[in-house]
Amino acid sequence: NAGVTQTPKFRVLKTGQSMTLLCAQDMNHEYMYWYRQDPGLGLRLIHYSVGEGTTAKGEVPDGYNVSRLKKQNFLLGLESAAPSQTSVYFCALRTAAGANVLTFGAGSRLTVL
Amino acid sequence: AQKVTQAQTEISVVEKEDVTLDCVYETRDTTYYLFWYKQPPSGELVFLIRRNSFDEQNEISGRYSWNFQKSTSSFNFTITASQVVDSAVYFCALSDFPGSARQLTFGSGTQLTVLP
Repeated sequence: NAGVTQTPKFRVLKTGQSMTLLCAQDMNHEYMYWYRQDPGLGLRLIHYSVGEGTTAKGEVPDGYNVSRLKKQNFLLGLESAAPSQTSVYFCALRTAAGANVLTFGAGSRLTVL
Repeated sequence: AQKVTQAQTEISVVEKEDVTLDCVYETRDTTYYLFWYKQPPSGELVFLIRRNSFDEQNEISGRYSWNFQKSTSSFNFTITASQVVDSAVYFCALSDFPGSARQLTFGSGTQLTVLP
């Protein structure tokens, strides 16, 4: 997946627990995104970043925090997980400047009990 | 606000049949991009095509073809002589032009099953 690595691939949490998903790229792309995929809803943007040290809210940011301290890494955090956050999470890079083409990671399946 | 509608939730065809996946979009932007992505059972998302709003020519790539009609705000995807390997969820998406930080807006996807 063009150098986009998501960890972990699977995780089960209990309600109220916290965790962090990591998206790492081995290239030098500025724009990184976190989406969640839910049945019947397609993919919805949670947060995105246009460069190191910057983040912005997407369509469904509540309950999540993000950080981009290093250009290569974009972290998605759940401070207090809720069952509604059970989903598949995808990280994406914009790899073609000006073209809005996104390259996605393999996904991380999160279950909150 | 941008919106993408894929009214077909699931489609099932027999191998070698042709199948069309519908996509209707809404946007206030005069210039924009449209996309199709494929998600096979393995789960990854694969980019198929990008079309900008200036170009209404239909595009063909092997068994795949795309029909963009601005007048009806549609960007439909046709697979000719479908194969079992075409079984996947297909997403249509929209973003503004030419390349701001704006994200893609995805439709809800169409699950295509091609039966042998």
